[in-house]
Amino acid sequence: QVQLEQSGAEVRKPGASVKVSCKASGYTFSAYAIHWVRQAPGQRLEWMGWINAENGNTKFSQKYQGRVTITRDTSASTAYMELSSLRSEDTAVYFCATGKIVALYMYAWGNGTTVIVSS
Amino acid sequence: QSALTQPRSVSGSPGQSVTISCTGTSSDVGAYKYVSWYQQKPGKAPKLMIHDVDKRPSGVPDRFSGSKSGNTASLTISGLQAEDESDYYCCSYAGRYTWIFGAGTKLTVL
Repeated sequence: QVQLEQSGAEVRKPGASVKVSCKASGYTFSAYAIHWVRQAPGQRLEWMGWINAENGNTKFSQKYQGRVTITRDTSASTAYMELSSLRSEDTAVYFCATGKIVALYMYAWGNGTTVIVSS
Repeated sequence: QSALTQPRSVSGSPGQSVTISCTGTSSDVGAYKYVSWYQQKPGKAPKLMIHDVDKRPSGVPDRFSGSKSGNTASLTISGLQAEDESDYYCCSYAGRYTWIFGAGTKLTVL
């Protein structure tokens, strides 16, 4: 079945960058898209961006444009999300989620990666 | 882009029905048949409950149903069970390969 395994928790200082990975299994990686969604403590889900795993095209929420990079390694069935210029407000759980490229919803989710930004 | 509007909380007794609304604009909910709903238990990842406004993935009980009218989508849970207590989020495609989530609704089963 579809599974997404995310990398472990990270702690960063303000101004630094963080890169979170999401390894997919149980399906044809290149036929799907990977979304990144974050959730600050006690807050709502927020869509950050996505990557078409087939062609590598990306799109981001305006809020994160310029600060977020999403890439994929098809040979490793893994997607990556890198967020730069971290501030305390970026402390959150970061989820990856997948769905078929032609299906505009998130079918399966990773367990989340906690990122703490603190001096 | 601010969040889609959802009630902060709803509640119901076991066996009753509850409906959670999700109001957007003519650029997102009103423009596309691509509204999905997610259930999220504390400390867990969200789980897809409804997609494309009213489609249920396999394994989701038929007590869960979705609909849409204009700029407002709705999730109805009939025959409430204790296990349905959770946070629920709507999500709409907003065009140009962008998505927007709702503010989230806490469902309490009394």
